[in-house]
Amino acid sequence: DAGVIQSPRHEVTEMGQEVTLRCKPISGHNSLFWYRQTMMRGLELLIYFNNNVPIDDSGMPEDRFSAKMPNASFSTLKIQPSEPRDSAVYFCASSREEGYGYTFGSGTRLTVV
Amino acid sequence: RKEVEQDPGPFNVPEGATVAFNCTYSNSASQSFFWYRQDCRKEPKLLMSVYSSGNEDGRFTAQLNRASQYISLLIRDSKLSDSATYLCVSHSGGYQKVTFGIGTKLQVIP
Repeated sequence: DAGVIQSPRHEVTEMGQEVTLRCKPISGHNSLFWYRQTMMRGLELLIYFNNNVPIDDSGMPEDRFSAKMPNASFSTLKIQPSEPRDSAVYFCASSREEGYGYTFGSGTRLTVV
Repeated sequence: RKEVEQDPGPFNVPEGATVAFNCTYSNSASQSFFWYRQDCRKEPKLLMSVYSSGNEDGRFTAQLNRASQYISLLIRDSKLSDSATYLCVSHSGGYQKVTFGIGTKLQVIP
């Protein structure tokens, strides 16, 4: 089992640029989550998908953020345009079903300068 | 008030000591609970689930107190490798109701 795979591991970009984060969930897991972690706010749920369908995006900060899951094995989180306050670690996680623990990817450390 | 509250620490304990963390939750409808461990600059990893009857896994014991709305994690005979941040998680039904605490940092000292 390869686990949840995220790319890139690190991203440094200039303010105003578009950033795309990628995630491959564990095969057979039907739910996928995007989280953001900062020292001040901890882990915050941005959006989650169930069977490739976005269920709750109320955690997405604003219209600059968008997420897609075109198939069961791939999801993207896009920030356009990026701002310095978007700097954080972005985690993708997947779960087999409700009530089970999550498996997190290794995260993408985003720095917007 | 935050839905899940933890003392961020750090807790500095000597090797071999017993240490306990508490985590309080505000939603009485919370159904299940978990402890995750997060090493520095790594992703959170599921440590153990917390059952009403308590749960023990080696040196780790998790307890749930529904009346007082808190869960606890006890680590016996602390090892240097236990140094990490421990995240408390409550689940009150539906994926959107999973809430992570800010985490408690543990540093085990030689």
